Amino acid sequence: GGIITQTPKFLIGQEGQKLTLKCQQNFNHDTMYWYRQDSGKGLRLIYYSITENDLQKGDLSEGYDASREKKSSFSLTVTSAQKNEMAVFLCASSWLFYAEQFFGPGTRLTVL
Amino acid sequence: AQSVDQPDAHVTLSEGASLELRCSYSYSAAPYLFWYVQYPGQSLQFLLKYITGDTVVKGTKGFEAEFRKSNSSFNLKKSPAHWSDSAKYFCALEGTGGNNKLTFGQGTVLSVIP
Repeated sequence: GGIITQTPKFLIGQEGQKLTLKCQQNFNHDTMYWYRQDSGKGLRLIYYSITENDLQKGDLSEGYDASREKKSSFSLTVTSAQKNEMAVFLCASSWLFYAEQFFGPGTRLTVL
Repeated sequence: AQSVDQPDAHVTLSEGASLELRCSYSYSAAPYLFWYVQYPGQSLQFLLKYITGDTVVKGTKGFEAEFRKSNSSFNLKKSPAHWSDSAKYFCALEGTGGNNKLTFGQGTVLSVIP
């Protein structure tokens, strides 16, 4: 088995601040994802990456940047934190195509 | 465009009853469909998927789902339900062509009363 680690677990920032969330997986999966889960709602895809140095925009990429410098890690940057972005950010990974995704425990973002 | 709808925000039933959580989708080609579960305080876990073949698929924890192309549905079922099944359930769709993009429904909160 494997595990997905997300750091930090809780992230508190000021409005307008640039904030970075990190994700590591040891499944050796090709594809990694960042989702945002707003309270009481479903998940929306922010960015995903099919392989190292690949980046694909999801439906919610505005206001975010991502980086995949190694196969095992995927970072997400909130470029200018806003109060309406307070949510739980979930990282996931999978093999390519039609495969189940494995999710990390999440990073809860609070914007003051 | 692809979309997933879970019309029931909350479902409550008694332990021992049969559960069926509804999921409908909109997609122009053959979809790949998934169910995930999120227990309180935890992250999402995979339950089952439909890719092709038998329209009834079985997954973990005694769950199964039936793909019905005729009405674009992929409902999740289990009988009997147990109090430990209380969680939030998400239906998701991946488009054909291997784009790896999952579109999730809003989720259904299931409460099973002992």
